[in-house]
Amino acid sequence: KQEVTQIPAALSVPEGENLVLNCSFTDSAIYNLQWFRQDPGKGLTSLLLIQSSQREQTSGRLNASLDKSSGRSTLYIAASQPGDSATYLCAADKNDMRFGAGTRLTVKP
Amino acid sequence: EAGVTQFPSHSVIEKGQTVTLRCDPISGHDNLYWYRRVMGKEIKFLLHFVKESKQDESGMPNNRFLAERTGGTYSTLKVQPAELEDSGVYFCASSPQLGETQYFGPGTRLLVL
Repeated sequence: KQEVTQIPAALSVPEGENLVLNCSFTDSAIYNLQWFRQDPGKGLTSLLLIQSSQREQTSGRLNASLDKSSGRSTLYIAASQPGDSATYLCAADKNDMRFGAGTRLTVKP
Repeated sequence: EAGVTQFPSHSVIEKGQTVTLRCDPISGHDNLYWYRRVMGKEIKFLLHFVKESKQDESGMPNNRFLAERTGGTYSTLKVQPAELEDSGVYFCASSPQLGETQYFGPGTRLLVL
């Protein structure tokens, strides 16, 4: 059974810092790994999708990497802004999508 | 192009009552998924439809939950009778093909009193 873990559970940084969120999964036979953000009281917004054959994806200030063999993915956020404050979730997709518990990010002005 | 929509956005019911949640996927998406996030816990998969067929319902917690997708378009998730522990946010997602990006709806916030 796939288990997805996210570290840290919460993170608070000053504006402008670069940061890394970690995601690990136990079953490496996945189709893809997806990162989402959830804002309070709102739904999920997909940020990046990394197919199993890919190593990384980039979108603006976000970069996500995938190492299937070690069961790890990281989400790198460059030059963080207060608007980045949200809960970040990773999900490993194999037949069904298994989510981590999320990292709650606060970027202080 | 319209995204995944869910109705209602919020629902407050009493224990023992019935609630039906609706999800309209993106047009043309054969795959439809239901997830829920119970307070303080991670989002969990409930079930997966391919068109009108249930592909995987291993995440359905018990027989008080019934999901349908008649005609392979919108889907409903009925909880009958609702219990306190059913409170949470129910998300629906759709994708064109298995393994492709899942697009999530805004969720339905269910509170059972």
